[in-house]
Amino acid sequence: GAGVSQSPRYKVAKRGQDVALRCDPISGHVSLFWYQQALGQGPEFLTYFQNEAQLDKSGLPSDRFFAERPEGSVSTLKIQRTQQEDSAVYLCASSLASRAYNEQFFGPGTRLTVL
Amino acid sequence: GIQVEQSPPDLILQEGANSTLRCNFSDSVNNLQWFHQNPWGQLINLFYIPSGTKQNGRLSATTVATERYSLLYISSSQTTDSGVYFCAGGNDMRFGAGTRLTVKP
Repeated sequence: GAGVSQSPRYKVAKRGQDVALRCDPISGHVSLFWYQQALGQGPEFLTYFQNEAQLDKSGLPSDRFFAERPEGSVSTLKIQRTQQEDSAVYLCASSLASRAYNEQFFGPGTRLTVL
Repeated sequence: GIQVEQSPPDLILQEGANSTLRCNFSDSVNNLQWFHQNPWGQLINLFYIPSGTKQNGRLSATTVATERYSLLYISSSQTTDSGVYFCAGGNDMRFGAGTRLTVKP
């Protein structure tokens, strides 16, 4: 596609529910990143994939957060047993090659609200 | 991890004014980027600028990699320039806290 797309754009969950957020990167992009952006703050890194391999998950805040990219293209971020503090915008980005030397392009984000 | 500081945190300009935004890194980065986050939350790429100077219309950026800082220049500002400007870089793409720019007509 022309850019990074994310779905859903908005998600409201009751505390304790599981949610799944989807990211479609730019076609051919090797690297994929997930970020969490709380209100009024800059995005914070969650995890990084190179193709299907999850090379860095140091930013995932708890073991309730899980991400996958099984075929090296589409990625899903799953949050189990959601808590109110999980409310944030979740951003996905992709880049053409390796993480350290390439420009990242961001999707529009998924705004998650946990009630 | 790398620390990223942006200044100023807030900036209010009259339409037509020029401004300079600054980004300091605590360590060297090879992938410094500037973004504009619009009111709908979309992060728009402005510059990928690990070093040197680039210009795009009324915007330009300079990165002095050896001194670990980058500057974003906005000339003849317009109301549509309003929003939050972020710089970011490093393996885990550390973002600064942003500069919130308001351009008044």
